[in-house]
Amino acid sequence: AQSVTQPDIHITVSEGASLELRCNYSYGATPYLFWYVQSPGQGLQLLLKYFSGDTLVQGIKGFEAEFKRSQSSFNLRKPSVHWSDAAEYFCAVGLHNAGNMLTFGGGTRLMVKP
Amino acid sequence: DTAVSQTPKYLVTQMGNDKSIKCEQNLGHDTMYWYKQDSKKFLKIMFSYNNKELIINETVPNRFSPKSPDKAHLNLHINSLELGDSAVYFCASSQVDRRKGNTIYFGEGSWLTVV
Repeated sequence: AQSVTQPDIHITVSEGASLELRCNYSYGATPYLFWYVQSPGQGLQLLLKYFSGDTLVQGIKGFEAEFKRSQSSFNLRKPSVHWSDAAEYFCAVGLHNAGNMLTFGGGTRLMVKP
Repeated sequence: DTAVSQTPKYLVTQMGNDKSIKCEQNLGHDTMYWYKQDSKKFLKIMFSYNNKELIINETVPNRFSPKSPDKAHLNLHINSLELGDSAVYFCASSQVDRRKGNTIYFGEGSWLTVV
C-alpha cells in the first residue's frame, strides 16, 4: 500500500528565512504528488502539484517543490518565509487512474518567529 | 463563488443523535469524496463517488452513509453519533484531466463535536 511520510511534525523558522518541508512516499510507480496548506480553522488549499514533466514545480504564495524519483521525495521549499505562512502543511499522493483518492502524510506544522 | 461548499461549518450534538452534512460542488466534476481529519490532524479518505456511484468505501462504520442525489452533491449522514466521531469532515471533488492529472479540491470543512 502506498504511504506518505512527513518526517518533521513541527518546524520553526524565522521570518525571512528559507524553508524546506520534507515529504517521502512509498509506491511502486510514479504517483501524482501534491502539497496542501491548512491555516488554523480553515480548509485545505492546494499549493502545487506534480503530474509529469518538469520535476521542479512552482506553486502559489511563492512555494515550489522538487520531485526526486531516486529519493522518492517531493520536498516543499520557499526562499523567504512570511509570518502569514504559519500553518499546517500536508503532502499527498494520488494514483494515475480515474476517481482515485489521496493518501496524506501526517502534516508538518510551521511556526514563524518574528 | 465557492467551488466546494459544505454545511454546516460547525456542529455540536449529543451522543446518539443522527446528523447530516451537505456538500455541493459547482466545478462540474464527476468525482466527489468525503475525508475525515482526526484530532491529530490526520486525513483519511472515507468515501468516493463517481457520477453518483460509490467507488471507494474505506473501513468506515455503517453508521456513516453517503448519499449522492446527483453528481454535484454528496451528503454524509451519520446515525447514532459517538464521541469518537468528533472530527473535521472535508468534502472534496475532482475531475480527471489526462494532461493535467487529477486535482482534488476541498471544501472548508465541517467541525463536528459530539458531547
